Amino acid sequence: GESVGLHLPTLSVQEGDNSIINCAYSNSASDYFIWYKQESGKGPQFIIDIRSNMDKRQGQRVTVLLNKTVKHLSLQIAATQPGDSAVYFCAEIQGGYNKLIFGAGTRLAVHP
Amino acid sequence: AAGVIQSPRHLIKEKRETATLKCYPIPRHDTVYWYQQGPGQDPQFLISFYEKMQSDKGSIPDRFSAQQFSDYHSELNMSSLELGDSALYFCATQGAPTDTQYFGPGTRLTVL
Repeated sequence: GESVGLHLPTLSVQEGDNSIINCAYSNSASDYFIWYKQESGKGPQFIIDIRSNMDKRQGQRVTVLLNKTVKHLSLQIAATQPGDSAVYFCAEIQGGYNKLIFGAGTRLAVHP
Repeated sequence: AAGVIQSPRHLIKEKRETATLKCYPIPRHDTVYWYQQGPGQDPQFLISFYEKMQSDKGSIPDRFSAQQFSDYHSELNMSSLELGDSALYFCATQGAPTDTQYFGPGTRLTVL
């Protein structure tokens, strides 16, 4: 079935650098996307979301970009910190009751 | 702020035993979702409830059942446990006016 997936399984960055995590989706009807952060042994934590009527949304140190033409979204983290080390998932809302369809996660490792 | 509560946090069972996982939503959240996350995998949707009625169903085995009670907490019942059921089980809850799902800390189930 149609799904959401990620390009890279791991990403290593230096502390202070900007990080970009990418995600591709295949369902052109998708209209709501969420990024979650999952630290080891914990549940996914909401970071930021975006609806299909937007192409960019900013939060605190994070920006999500949506390109509907190529069905791609990305999460940008500014001035990456050691506390940002985690697995990041993009997820798509499917169905009338809003179940989440997750893509494979990207592990972000931040080095001092 | 109150978060989603799951119990127990860890559970060890033998094959063919039964297990019951509990989820207590954030106050005023009326929708509960259950997800299963295998080692190194993304969370997979199992089942959801809205206002105490099953609203959607995913890849949940027939050996599993769930319900939502009048106080909106939910229980996932798992019978005839198999080794492959070993995973993290998360519930997420959601309530108007947002579509955001907030995850609990998870229950780590180990089947021996």
